[in-house]
Amino acid sequence: ETGVTQSPTHLIKTRGQQVTLRCSSQSGHNTVSWYQQALGQGPQFIFQYYREEENGRGNFPPRFSGLQFPNYSSELNVNALELDDSALYLCASSPRPGEGNEQFFGPGTRLTVL
Amino acid sequence: AQSVTQPDIHITVSEGASLELRCNYSYGATPYLFWYVQSPGQGLQLLLKYFSGDTLVQGIKGFEAEFKRSQSSFNLRKPSVHWSDAAEYFCAVGASNTGKLIFGQGTTLQVKP
Repeated sequence: ETGVTQSPTHLIKTRGQQVTLRCSSQSGHNTVSWYQQALGQGPQFIFQYYREEENGRGNFPPRFSGLQFPNYSSELNVNALELDDSALYLCASSPRPGEGNEQFFGPGTRLTVL
Repeated sequence: AQSVTQPDIHITVSEGASLELRCNYSYGATPYLFWYVQSPGQGLQLLLKYFSGDTLVQGIKGFEAEFKRSQSSFNLRKPSVHWSDAAEYFCAVGASNTGKLIFGQGTTLQVKP
């Protein structure tokens, strides 16, 4: 059974640029959630996708957007990058949405915005 | 509002000593509670979870946690810490129909030889 994978591992961008981060869910999981973890902080929920539709969103501006594909892999897109977007971005998959479902995390993508 | 508080930002214990990491939550209904561990440069690994039933839950790596509704707490414990336990520990509550996780700020555990 393959776990959650993310690419790239590290990324450096400059302010104003756009970035796409990718996530491959664990086999059999149709739900993916994205989190932003700033240095020294706990992860914060960005949004969740379930069966290719957005299924909930945290307190992040619209320049954070996502996609989920028929194979349940996912992308996180961030436009007009700001310095404060520098963080570890974590993807987590689960077999379905809901409070009682364990989320399995990938290793993350470290984004640095200069 | 739903929230999780981990009062201790940094804890240092000697190898072989016991450990307790504190977690307090604020949630209107019966919470789904989790403890995750994060090693440097790694993602989050689930240690244990509480959904219902027995308030003392056992997890991996010898960890356990006790849910106390009256204190809104879900403290993590280990009777004897190993050097490999040095990491960042996060308490989280599963919220809403999405099951999104609301995390605490984390506690960094340092283990002295």
